[in-house]
Amino acid sequence: EPEVTQTPSHQVTQMGQEVILRCVPISNHLYFYWYRQILGQKVEFLVSFYNNEISEKSEIFDDQFSVERPDGSNFTLKIRSTKLEDSAMYFCASTPIVTRQGWTDTQYFGPGTRLTVL
Amino acid sequence: AQSVTQPDIHITVSEGASLELRCNYSYGATPYLFWYVQSPGQGLQLLLKYFSGDTLVQGIKGFEAEFKRSQSSFNLRKPSVHWSDAAEYFCAVGGVSSSARQLTFGSGTQLTVLP
Repeated sequence: EPEVTQTPSHQVTQMGQEVILRCVPISNHLYFYWYRQILGQKVEFLVSFYNNEISEKSEIFDDQFSVERPDGSNFTLKIRSTKLEDSAMYFCASTPIVTRQGWTDTQYFGPGTRLTVL
Repeated sequence: AQSVTQPDIHITVSEGASLELRCNYSYGATPYLFWYVQSPGQGLQLLLKYFSGDTLVQGIKGFEAEFKRSQSSFNLRKPSVHWSDAAEYFCAVGGVSSSARQLTFGSGTQLTVLP
């Protein structure tokens, strides 16, 4: 069964450094997401991406964050200058279709990348 | 704005006992409802979903959930819990408007299963 994959599984970085988290969504999916989960807290939406542009973003997704689909398979989240409070598990998700009503069907999640900012 | 409440932070049950995890949502229109499970160090796995139709939905691993519009609830149930069900369970709500495609998650319920 196809799966969303994410690399690396764990990233440790120094505060102020740039990090790029990588995701390979399921191949025929059209809508992509990033979520994060700070330890002990809720899973929070960051951004959605469709047709090579950001569709929606939360207030968490400020100018320090960017997303890109550099080729036909990868979907990346970049944090330009990491802060201590960026330490979290970052989940990528994808969904196969966009319905006429706008609903994007079930989201399939990857295993996550644990980001630790020191 | 949509929101999800999971009132039980932690539940402990004995193996073989029945289980019910509570979920209440707030949403201005017909919600799309999901239950995900997260095992330690793992990602989020979809257990089941409700979009429309029969309000009792069946999922994987023997789980089911019932949508009750009058109570704004979508509780997850399993008649007989197995030790491998120990994990964290998240209820989530989504919608159809362009501003609501993202999922809103509850804070999760940690399930411990005693032998």
